[in-house]
Amino acid sequence: GDSVTQTEGQVALSEEDFLTIHCNYSASGYPALFWYVQYPGEGPQFLFRASRDKEKGSSRGFEATYDKGTTSFHLRKASVQESDSAVYYCALGAITGNTGKLIFGLGTTLQVQP
Amino acid sequence: GGIITQTPKFLIGQEGQKLTLKCQQNFNHDTMYWYRQDSGKGLRLIYYSITENDLQKGDLSEGYDASREKKSSFSLTVTSAQKNEMAVFLCASSMGANSDYTFGSGTRLLVI
Repeated sequence: GDSVTQTEGQVALSEEDFLTIHCNYSASGYPALFWYVQYPGEGPQFLFRASRDKEKGSSRGFEATYDKGTTSFHLRKASVQESDSAVYYCALGAITGNTGKLIFGLGTTLQVQP
Repeated sequence: GGIITQTPKFLIGQEGQKLTLKCQQNFNHDTMYWYRQDSGKGLRLIYYSITENDLQKGDLSEGYDASREKKSSFSLTVTSAQKNEMAVFLCASSMGANSDYTFGSGTRLLVI
């Protein structure tokens, strides 16, 4: 079945460091890919999405490019801030049945030190 | 803008008890979802509904019931709470296929 793998469970950085969180997916065709961010005590918030090969999604300084060849949608940010500390989820829109279901990765906890 | 509200925010139950969690949205979204969030296990789909009175089982539906009597509301029932169970239940809504979700802030469940 469709699946999403986030390589890093936890990432620790200092302010102004470059961030990469790796996301790889397994699915047929061209599923929509999403990134969500979750702050403590809140539900996940939509960051951005992409639906086609080579399409770039971006928001709040974060970006990711849909890569069909490597089945990846890695999240990047050039210079992180302490306020970016949160849990980040990569998700895939399930194609089968066209129901709107999203399949989430296990999440990556980002901790940014001042 | 719209809002999605989950009640209660915190729920403490006893082993074997039937517990009901509620979710309301005013986005006029067709599709609603219940996910369970456990530490280290990500978000797992319990039930979803693509329209009023529709119910679809997710990967984690055993031990749960759901109800969608109105388009704006979606409730989840834990049929028999398990001792020492601790999790966050997240409700979400969307316009449908390939649309992003809007999540509520969650109900935190503790069973003693």
